[in-house]
Amino acid sequence: DGGITQSPKYLFRKEGQNVTLSCEQNLNHDAMYWYRQDPGQGLRLIYYSQIVNDFQKGDIAEGYSVSREKKESFPLTVTSAQKNPTAFYLCASSIGTGRYSNQPQHFGDGTRLSIL
Amino acid sequence: KQEVTQIPAALSVPEGENLVLNCSFTDSAIYNLQWFRQDPGKGLTSLLLIQSSQREQTSGRLNASLDKSSGRSTLYIAASQPGDSATYLCAVGPIENQGGKLIFGQGTELSVKP
Repeated sequence: DGGITQSPKYLFRKEGQNVTLSCEQNLNHDAMYWYRQDPGQGLRLIYYSQIVNDFQKGDIAEGYSVSREKKESFPLTVTSAQKNPTAFYLCASSIGTGRYSNQPQHFGDGTRLSIL
Repeated sequence: KQEVTQIPAALSVPEGENLVLNCSFTDSAIYNLQWFRQDPGKGLTSLLLIQSSQREQTSGRLNASLDKSSGRSTLYIAASQPGDSATYLCAVGPIENQGGKLIFGQGTELSVKP
């Protein structure tokens, strides 16, 4: 079955540590996205990528970094500069933007990150 | 700056009732609007997508409408069931990003009682 796989499901970060969240899709989608969700709030965009080897900052990119070396993979690193990283992180993909943007975004099941 | 608001934040109804969830947005320059469902601890499932040129979309017991001029969308759920219990989120795709980037509301948590 086609879909988006996020791992791990739960992740704990120590003080001063960088951690990387994995996102893989086998939908052959060009566009991929990372969102953060805090309790009782909607999703906020961290980074997005419209094509391989290209990505743009979203609304809350500070303290995060990404790479897009392969079409199917879009890992997110939460760096030690992110002072409040505890949240639910969701990865999504879509066929593309522009004339393809009227196709829905597909989401993974998320990674819950907590501070030790 | 585009802002999306959903009211109410939570709603509890008896099984079988028809209900309406509301979504409002401040900037009418949108590419599309999407409604999603989120179960506890899970990702989002797309329910309906309305393009900016459309007025409504239907899927089974769900009907979503869009009024760009007033900055409003509604999600109508007919004959609600306990399995409809979840958080419902609306999101708009700004026109300047050609729809790729979504701006989300905070969601409405729906509970349908048997």
